[in-house]
Amino acid sequence: GAGVSQTPSNKVTEKGKYVELRCDPISGHTALYWYRQSLGQGPEFLIYFQGTGAADDSGLPNDRFFAVRPEGSVSTLKIQRTERGDSAVYLCASSLGDRPLGGEKLFFGSGTQLSVL
Amino acid sequence: SQQGEEDPQALSIQEGENATMNCSYKTSINNLQWYRQNSGRGLVHLILIRSNEREKHSGRLRVTLDTSKKSSSLLITASRAADTASYFCATAPISSGSARQLTFGSGTQLTVLP
Repeated sequence: GAGVSQTPSNKVTEKGKYVELRCDPISGHTALYWYRQSLGQGPEFLIYFQGTGAADDSGLPNDRFFAVRPEGSVSTLKIQRTERGDSAVYLCASSLGDRPLGGEKLFFGSGTQLSVL
Repeated sequence: SQQGEEDPQALSIQEGENATMNCSYKTSINNLQWYRQNSGRGLVHLILIRSNEREKHSGRLRVTLDTSKKSSSLLITASRAADTASYFCATAPISSGSARQLTFGSGTQLTVLP
């Protein structure tokens, strides 16, 4: 696609519910990243995929958070038993994946605003 | 945790003035990047500077890097109202193999008044 697409753009849910957030990366990008951004803060790393595998999931805050990328393209971030503290903007980014991290430009989607009531 | 910290947190200037934002980071890096974020939008890559470079230009942007002080600055010359946004620096530590985190600072909110 022309850019990174994230759906939905807004998600309101109740405490304790399960949510799925979707990311469509730029076609041909092998690397995909999920970040979380709270108001007034910078993005906080959650997980990074190279192809289908999660190469670094050290940023996931606890086992309620899980992400998949079964075919090496679209990714889904899954949050179980949501809590009010999970409210944030969830950003997805992709990159070519052919250089060491830090040497690559990341392309971001517009994010999903998650609100847990 | 945030690897980088931007300074100032907020900056308000008149159109036509220059804006300077600073970033400090904690660990040794190979590269440092700057991103811009308009309200309610994703981040957009502005410029990348490598650890063996001291200064880099791109249009109205000038970035400096001082690895001895672990700091970088972003200068926007002849600012425009459309430059109003949040600006973030981002770094990745020199990898030991498994670390792939690109870590962002907390950002500088720039407001350019017409």
